[in-house]
Amino acid sequence: EAGVAQSPRYKIIEKRQSVAFWCNPISGHATLYWYQQILGQGPKLLIQFQNNGVVDDSQLPKDRFSAERLKGVDSTLKIQPAKLEDSAVYLCASSPADRDSAEAFFGQGTRLTVV
Amino acid sequence: GNSVTQMEGPVTLSEEAFLTINCTYTATGYPSLFWYVQYPGEGLQLLLKATKADDKGSNKGFEATYRKETTSFHLEKGSVQVSDSAVYFCALLKAAGNKLTFGGGTRVLVKP
Repeated sequence: EAGVAQSPRYKIIEKRQSVAFWCNPISGHATLYWYQQILGQGPKLLIQFQNNGVVDDSQLPKDRFSAERLKGVDSTLKIQPAKLEDSAVYLCASSPADRDSAEAFFGQGTRLTVV
Repeated sequence: GNSVTQMEGPVTLSEEAFLTINCTYTATGYPSLFWYVQYPGEGLQLLLKATKADDKGSNKGFEATYRKETTSFHLEKGSVQVSDSAVYFCALLKAAGNKLTFGGGTRVLVKP
């Protein structure tokens, strides 16, 4: 079974630039999560989708972050404009609809460095 | 709010040594507790879990017991291997809201 795919693996941008991350969840998984993992900290949930609807985006900085999951499969997370404090690993995870977030499968992440 | 505190690393030990990583939590009610592992270059993986007080989760030689009286969920392994080198995260989940709260992670390095 293919895992959660994320791209790119690494990205370096200057502050105030824009960046987008892509996630392809495990086939058939209805729930998709984006987490932000700052160095030395645990992952923090940014947004949760159920199919193509948003379940929870309470910790998403909506002035600069946006995410979409068109057609309820792939998802993109965008930051515009980026700030230095956005440097982190962005993790995507997915799970079947009948499982809770603790049993999600995680991708390898995208490491973003903002300079 | 909910929070998880775990010991800071890095923890460096020799092969076959005993490993303990402390984890304590703050939450109302009865959360479920988890340990995740992140091997170099890989995504987070669920290692073990416990859903109620006094439950013991175990997997791959690792164990952790849900202690409500001390609000703890310490991870232990009796004899570590080099392949156990990774970052370990403690986490809790409250059923309401279905949102995981992670600790800061503990890096473990096992030397041959």
